[in-house]
Amino acid sequence: DVKVTQSSRYLVKRTGEKVFLECVQDMDHENMFWYRQDPGLGLRLIYFSYDVKMKEKGDIPEGYSVSREKKERFSLILESASTNQTSMYLCASSLLGPNYGYTFGSGTRLTVV
Amino acid sequence: GQQVMQIPQYQHVQEGEDFTTYCNSSTTLSNIQWYKQRPGGHPVFLIQLVKSGEVKKQKRLTFQFGEAKKNSSLHITATQTTDVGTYFCAGYSGGSNYKLTFGKGTLLTVNP
Repeated sequence: DVKVTQSSRYLVKRTGEKVFLECVQDMDHENMFWYRQDPGLGLRLIYFSYDVKMKEKGDIPEGYSVSREKKERFSLILESASTNQTSMYLCASSLLGPNYGYTFGSGTRLTVV
Repeated sequence: GQQVMQIPQYQHVQEGEDFTTYCNSSTTLSNIQWYKQRPGGHPVFLIQLVKSGEVKKQKRLTFQFGEAKKNSSLHITATQTTDVGTYFCAGYSGGSNYKLTFGKGTLLTVNP
């Protein structure tokens, strides 16, 4: 069964901490995405990557960065966590091309206190 | 930029009633995808529509892509409690990055 694995299901961090969210996929997908999901706001794209070492900003990149050193791994970095970054973070991956669905991970619920 | 609007935001039905959610794009879409997210879960891909006017069925679910490829609908016949969740549409309108634009979703609750 194909899988997107996010390293933590729940995470509590302090304001100002540097936070790393890890995502690994085992499907040899070229595309990887980071979304945050908040009630009433749907899925908002933070960053995505279509190849190793490539990254593109999504709709809300401010306060975040990403790293893709290997094809299977896509990391989201909160440089200095703030309380307004408390959210559910979802990683997804897909094959490269317009006709492929996304496979999502189970999500990381991050609370910044 | 491209926008995908989804209505209604919420829908509560009695078990056995039908349910429909609608998706409208500000631009012509190359394809549209539908996802379901169960409470506490993550979005799961359901289906993709590509052709103008296309209709696809999955058991009690019927998906339709508009003739102008700017709108889509998901209809569930005789809802069951297992249909509870948020249904998202996501459209692709071209470009080399193959990035989908998601609607905000419709939360369906079913009263048994």
